[in-house]
Amino acid sequence: DSGVTQTPKHLITATGQRVTLRCSPRSGDLSVYWYQQSLDQGLQFLIQYYNGEERAKGNILERFSAQQFPDLHSELNLSSLELGDSALYFCASSVGVSGANVLTFGAGSRLTVL
Amino acid sequence: GEDVEQSLFLSVREGDSSVINCTYTDSSSTYLYWYKQEPGAGLQLLTYIFSNMDMKQDQRLTVLLNKKDKHLSLRIADTQTGDSAIYFCAETPSNTGKLIFGQGTTLQVKP
Repeated sequence: DSGVTQTPKHLITATGQRVTLRCSPRSGDLSVYWYQQSLDQGLQFLIQYYNGEERAKGNILERFSAQQFPDLHSELNLSSLELGDSALYFCASSVGVSGANVLTFGAGSRLTVL
Repeated sequence: GEDVEQSLFLSVREGDSSVINCTYTDSSSTYLYWYKQEPGAGLQLLTYIFSNMDMKQDQRLTVLLNKKDKHLSLRIADTQTGDSAIYFCAETPSNTGKLIFGQGTTLQVKP
């Protein structure tokens, strides 16, 4: 157990639907990151939050949004889902954003869009 | 730009050394990382190296960094079947703390 908790572990839904993925960071970590892992795209950085504020944005689609709440947990919202959104979504957390910034990953949420 | 390249597959025999290579683009990356992903699991940190170092050794793992060529390698000595996994290198562009990963190298260890 890495200390980063992601729910749900598996999710199957239909095209056009909306889902929310949840992440609880490791205790003491202020920064949360979301990554998408698919077979053809590898591990893509989506977005990063630090202490409730957005800090960096990657290749995140406009249909996707995220936030980090005051208790530091984070949610990734995926809407108008397409078949190509099927992937493993990882959350990671770290203490800060500088130095040897070690990210601790959760086990991932596997999304299947049918 | 932010781009990390790795070869996709490496196969070795148990007991041999494995060398996984990576090239990155952002010369401002202060730290470079190696992560391991076992089947059905998230990524786990293996090791990292500060950009002003050429080499770092940690038990069976040796990391070599050629900053001029932006080339990073991970050597696993005496590779075991339990080392079979996907290995990712990552750079840290800008000062946000985010990591940019390569596509991962699948290491297959044959008995």
